[in-house]
Amino acid sequence: GENVEQHPSTLSVQEGDSAVIKCTYSDSASNYFPWYKQELGKRPQLIIDIRSNVGEKKDQRIAVTLNKTAKHFSLHITETQPEDSAVYFCAARRWGSARQLTFGSGTQLTVLP
Amino acid sequence: SQTIHQWPATLVQPVGSPLSLECTVEGTSNPNLYWYRQAAGRGLQLLFYSVGIGQISSEVPQNLSASRPQDRQFILSSKKLLLSDSGFYLCAWSTILAGVGEQYFGPGTRLTVT
Repeated sequence: GENVEQHPSTLSVQEGDSAVIKCTYSDSASNYFPWYKQELGKRPQLIIDIRSNVGEKKDQRIAVTLNKTAKHFSLHITETQPEDSAVYFCAARRWGSARQLTFGSGTQLTVLP
Repeated sequence: SQTIHQWPATLVQPVGSPLSLECTVEGTSNPNLYWYRQAAGRGLQLLFYSVGIGQISSEVPQNLSASRPQDRQFILSSKKLLLSDSGFYLCAWSTILAGVGEQYFGPGTRLTVT
């Protein structure tokens, strides 16, 4: 089955700096890679996703990049703000299949004012 | 638009008592439904998923069970709770239509077993 590894487990950055979280996956058939943000005590929220037919996707201050050959994808947050502090989860799955998402173990991002 | 509901929002139950958590989805048909558990400060553990009425797949053997009596209703149950069942229970849905496949989580139920 699919295995997703996520690094780092904790990340602290100064407000205004960039943050990068990396994930690797094992199943070369996976082609859908979402990222979720979970604030303390709340549900995970889908913030951005990418399919394997593109290498990069941006949405304002967040972007995701995908390297299919190396089987890794990354979340980039620029100009970080205190409200970006949360746990971020990456995940992988075959697009269009009923198979469930395989999640990474999460990254606790803390943005220091 | 689609909405997912879970209740109750919080629950405190003694060890050995039964459990029933409910999840319903509005605004979509034939969704895939999922139950996850999240222990404090930990990741997302998939417990069950369902691709249709009466179709349940179990990911982790334990004292929990799931049922899907209606298309948009998913229930998580236990006959006797254990202390280790404490956690944040999240229901999620996704739909496999052309061009769609995102998965969305419900607001969760925080269960404390005492």
